[in-house]
Amino acid sequence: DAGITQSPRHKVTETGTPVTLRCHQTENHRYMYWYRQDPGHGLRLIHYSYGVKDTDKGEVSDGYSVSRSKTEDFLLTLESATSSQTSVYFCAISPGQGYGYTFGSGTRLTVV
Amino acid sequence: KQEVTQIPAALSVPEGENLVLNCSFTDSAIYNLQWFRQDPGKGLTSLLLIQSSQREQTSGRLNASLDKSSGRSTLYIAASQPGDSATYLCAVSHSGGGADGLTFGKGTHLIIQP
Repeated sequence: DAGITQSPRHKVTETGTPVTLRCHQTENHRYMYWYRQDPGHGLRLIHYSYGVKDTDKGEVSDGYSVSRSKTEDFLLTLESATSSQTSVYFCAISPGQGYGYTFGSGTRLTVV
Repeated sequence: KQEVTQIPAALSVPEGENLVLNCSFTDSAIYNLQWFRQDPGKGLTSLLLIQSSQREQTSGRLNASLDKSSGRSTLYIAASQPGDSATYLCAVSHSGGGADGLTFGKGTHLIIQP
């Protein structure tokens, strides 16, 4: 989607290694979110940010950490990747509560 | 905890038919409800956003309704086309405290037969 990009688009990594996914926006939106999408579970919230250096946990935050040092970038880190973290990860942005969300194209992560 | 359910899970209809996708949610404390479309291997494309104070929104052949008090929304697709084949996701933005973000249903996988 215009205004939001995720990198990398695809990644294969080994169990136990750290992995960082990046979300970059050019919309200057305050809120940024990380979701994972899995068959049978749908989309679930991992972490979100409501401003620079302001983050909070979502439904499935164990094994993940996030950082937001600039308005435009929101990083998701898998501290020690496990096979259960094989998933498609989506970033989303929103101007604020009550507004719509815009999603990125996703990162397909495979942990072997 | 907010829960969102979408019925049916899958639907296959001939081209040209009008169809209705259903979404229900358990907690009426919402800011808004958003319908998305997802094509295989792709991201989510926003179709319609309905604020909690609104009853419906329209975009082209799509019409979404919202009945917040009963926890229901419907997405109506008129004169369906093969290009409408995709997974349709319903999501609500919760206003009742707790974690921010959207809560999603598991989607309706729609196939329009040419």
